[in-house]
Amino acid sequence: QAVLTQPSSLSASPGASASLTCTLPSGINVGSYTMYWYQQKPGSPPQYLLRYKSDSDNQQGSGVPSRFSGSKDASANAGILLISGLQSEDEADYYCLIWHSTAWVFGGGTKLTVL
Amino acid sequence: QVQLQESGPGLVKPSETLSLTCTVSGGSINAYYWSWIRQPPGKGLEWIGYIYYSGSTNYNPSLKSRVTISIDTPKNQLSLKLSSVTAADTAVFYCVRHEYPSGGPDVWGLGTMVTVSS
Repeated sequence: QAVLTQPSSLSASPGASASLTCTLPSGINVGSYTMYWYQQKPGSPPQYLLRYKSDSDNQQGSGVPSRFSGSKDASANAGILLISGLQSEDEADYYCLIWHSTAWVFGGGTKLTVL
Repeated sequence: QVQLQESGPGLVKPSETLSLTCTVSGGSINAYYWSWIRQPPGKGLEWIGYIYYSGSTNYNPSLKSRVTISIDTPKNQLSLKLSSVTAADTAVFYCVRHEYPSGGPDVWGLGTMVTVSS
């Protein structure tokens, strides 16, 4: 089963931008997949942020601020969640998700600290 | 607005079967896919499987031999059974909704913690 790799932690300052990556294993091409992103705060279920396949095929979750956006880095075979204008409330765990071989596969999650 | 509520025993003995129910309110269970996802304490998310309102299912290959998901459309409920549990099955279990098989979940329940211990 595919394993999606996310950095375990990332720190950034308020007002700055944070780029969270989700790397696919070699052999499966990020360009072929829609990547979903979720935010989870302590003691709460994950919340849907957005999905991204391409610039023409993407969707923002209901009520999700536009400072959350998705993209891909084909050279790195990775999906990216970009959070601009970081706020303290963005401190959370972030998970990526793809549908691969008739199964959902989650990344291990990135803990984002805003300090 | 649709809401999902998981329920079931919070403690299950090793080797027994874990049984959970998800009740859907504020919307119909019809025309959607419904999955179970679990999260061990302090760890990441793992998809367990999904069921369509018609009753068709698809399970995570790593859990397939132990999982049964069923649906009761008149009651707007779905259920999860996980057999032969061990301590490694201790987790928060979430019920989620998605619009199509490959569509990521857009609505999550609050989750229910299940501990496997004698």
